[in-house]
Amino acid sequence: DAKTTQPTSMDCAEGRAANLPCNHSTISGNEYVYWYRQIHSQGPQYIIHGLKNNETNEMASLIITEDRKSSTLILPHATLRDTAVYYCIVPVNSGGYQKVTFGIGTKLQVIP
Amino acid sequence: GAGVSQSPSNKVTEKGKDVELRCDPISGHTALYWYRQSLGQGLEFLIYFQGNSAPDKSGLPSDRFSAERTGGSVSTLTIQRTQQEDSAVYLCASSLERHTIHFGPGTRLTVT
Repeated sequence: DAKTTQPTSMDCAEGRAANLPCNHSTISGNEYVYWYRQIHSQGPQYIIHGLKNNETNEMASLIITEDRKSSTLILPHATLRDTAVYYCIVPVNSGGYQKVTFGIGTKLQVIP
Repeated sequence: GAGVSQSPSNKVTEKGKDVELRCDPISGHTALYWYRQSLGQGLEFLIYFQGNSAPDKSGLPSDRFSAERTGGSVSTLTIQRTQQEDSAVYLCASSLERHTIHFGPGTRLTVT
C-alpha cells in the first residue's frame, strides 16, 4: 500500500491560502493522489486528484512534486466553511479497481 | 443525478439485537464500499465489492458483521447481536472502475 502521512492539524486565517501537505514516498508510477474532505457530521466529499501534473478545479489546486513523493492541496482563499478534516489518499490498484483506505487526515481550522 | 443513498438515516437498537443497513449506490457504479466512523475517529474500512469478484472483507471487525450486494447494485450490511461498541456512523460509497468515490450520508447506529 502507498501510505500517506499528513499533519494532524493546521490553522489558517480566513481569506488566506491554506496549504495542506501530504507525503506519499512509496507511491507507484501509476497510482493517483486523491484528496477528500469531511465537514463535521457529513460524509467525505471528493476535492481533486492528480497523477503527475498539477491540477486545478473550482475547489482547490493540487501541486505534486516532480518525484511524486509529496503533494500539497491549496485552498486559495479559505473560508470558515472550509473547516474540515482533509484526507490525502493513494488508492491501491487491485484488479482494475481501487481500494481506498482513509488515514487520520489533517484537521483544518479556519480562523475568523 | 441521484447520489448514493442509505437507509435508515438513524437507527437505535438494543444490545443483542440484529440490524440491517441498506445502501443504494449510484446507478452503474461497479465498486461499493462500507466504512464506519466512531465518534471523533477516522474512517475505518470494512468491506468493498468490486464488480463480480469476491468482496474484500478484510476490514470486518468480527464475524458478527456481514455484507452482501445483490445483483451488483443494492448492498446490505448486517450486524448480528449488536454491542455498544458497534455504535457509529456507517458510511457507504460507490464508484466506477478507477474513478472517484462518492459517499452516501451515512446511517447513525446507536446501540443502547
